[in-house]
Amino acid sequence: GAVVSQHPSRVICKSGTSVKIECRSLDFQATTMFWYRQFPKQSLMLMATSNEGSKATYEQGVEKDKFLINHASLTLSTLTVTSAHPEDSSFYICSASVRRSGAGTEAFFGQGTRLTVV
Amino acid sequence: KNQVEQSPQSLIILEGKNCTLQCNYTVSPFSNLRWYKQDTGRGPVSLTIMTFSENTKSNGRYTATLDADTKQSSLHITASQLSDSASYICVVPGAGFNKFYFGSGTKLNVKP
Repeated sequence: GAVVSQHPSRVICKSGTSVKIECRSLDFQATTMFWYRQFPKQSLMLMATSNEGSKATYEQGVEKDKFLINHASLTLSTLTVTSAHPEDSSFYICSASVRRSGAGTEAFFGQGTRLTVV
Repeated sequence: KNQVEQSPQSLIILEGKNCTLQCNYTVSPFSNLRWYKQDTGRGPVSLTIMTFSENTKSNGRYTATLDADTKQSSLHITASQLSDSASYICVVPGAGFNKFYFGSGTKLNVKP
């Protein structure tokens, strides 16, 4: 299957600083990538859909200026948490969609990034 | 309304026992359904994908079924192991390329 690499896996930052998370599709081109947030013992919550070369589409309630998404190439999307605060501490996961002939669309996930803001 | 519902929400079984997880969906049009395993603190990992024409598919101790008529899928785990403890998520893509519908997951706890 397709491989999606997410980096870093863990990051601790000070309140007020910004953190960038990278999501790469290693062996395929990802026209569309997704960013999710997951709180402990809860389901994945879609934050935004990122399309290469265009602005990301954010879900209701997600601050565009706080969670900056850049999808500059077909293999890389980045999520930058700006001016991070302790309440931004969470598990962030990216995924990329692949269209399979005869099988529809599939999602492949990165390993996730544990963000802790102190 | 496009939805994916999973049951049970959580499940505790003894090591070596079998279990079955359920996924009902109302997503239309339907192209495929995928089961993922998510270990705590990790991203979801694909277990199996079921397309419209497939009824049963096995991946080791995991066997998935799909009934496209009733829009139901199940994931059967045979001879459970402690390492099977995880959340199992059912995902169905929506029309087009930009939408996936997630079940809320089943939290499986395998005890020795």
